[in-house]
Amino acid sequence: EAQVTQNPRYLITVTGKKLTVTCSQNMNHEYMSWYRQDPGLGLRQIYYSMNVEVTDKGDVPEGYKVSRKEKRNFPLILESPSPNQTSLYFCASSLSGPRRDTEAFFGQGTRLTVV
Amino acid sequence: TQLLEQSPQFLSIQEGENLTVYCNSSSVFSSLQWYRQEPGEGPVLLVTVVTGGEVKKLKRLTFQFGDARKDSSLHITAAQPGDTGLYLCAPRKGVDSNYQLIWGAGTKLIIKP
Repeated sequence: EAQVTQNPRYLITVTGKKLTVTCSQNMNHEYMSWYRQDPGLGLRQIYYSMNVEVTDKGDVPEGYKVSRKEKRNFPLILESPSPNQTSLYFCASSLSGPRRDTEAFFGQGTRLTVV
Repeated sequence: TQLLEQSPQFLSIQEGENLTVYCNSSSVFSSLQWYRQEPGEGPVLLVTVVTGGEVKKLKRLTFQFGDARKDSSLHITAAQPGDTGLYLCAPRKGVDSNYQLIWGAGTKLIIKP
């Protein structure tokens, strides 16, 4: 089954404790991205990757890091989480990013709470 | 700064009623997608519209792209509880091979049995 898998689904952590949210896709997609979703603000892109070893900042990259060492995986790293990073996070992938009819496939989301 | 407005933000209606939700901007878009997000899940693509004035139907859902490609509407006929969800408008702006995806905040739709 074609899918984007995120882990964990839920995470409560303390301020400053480094964490990683994993994302894996099995569709051989080139383009992957991370979003955060906050009430009333919609989906905001954090980082994206056009292909292996190619990553770039989205609209809200501060406080986050990513890596793309393999085509299928795109982990999101919070080196020192803060309460304002409490949010619902989504990983998405698509066959190629910037075409106008490209469909984005989303993971089920990770609800992160930083206390 | 890109301004994309979805309206209404929230809509709760009875099963069997019709409804329309809107996605508006002052910018011209290359294409526009509608996604539906159910609670606890990620968004799922419903439709892509590309041409100004284009109308697409998906069962009881009718999508229209504005003539000037600045806005879009989604009309649901005889709404069902299964239509409940967050409807997200996602236009693309750009040229050639660099179309950037923009997301609206969504319309939260609840259909009561």
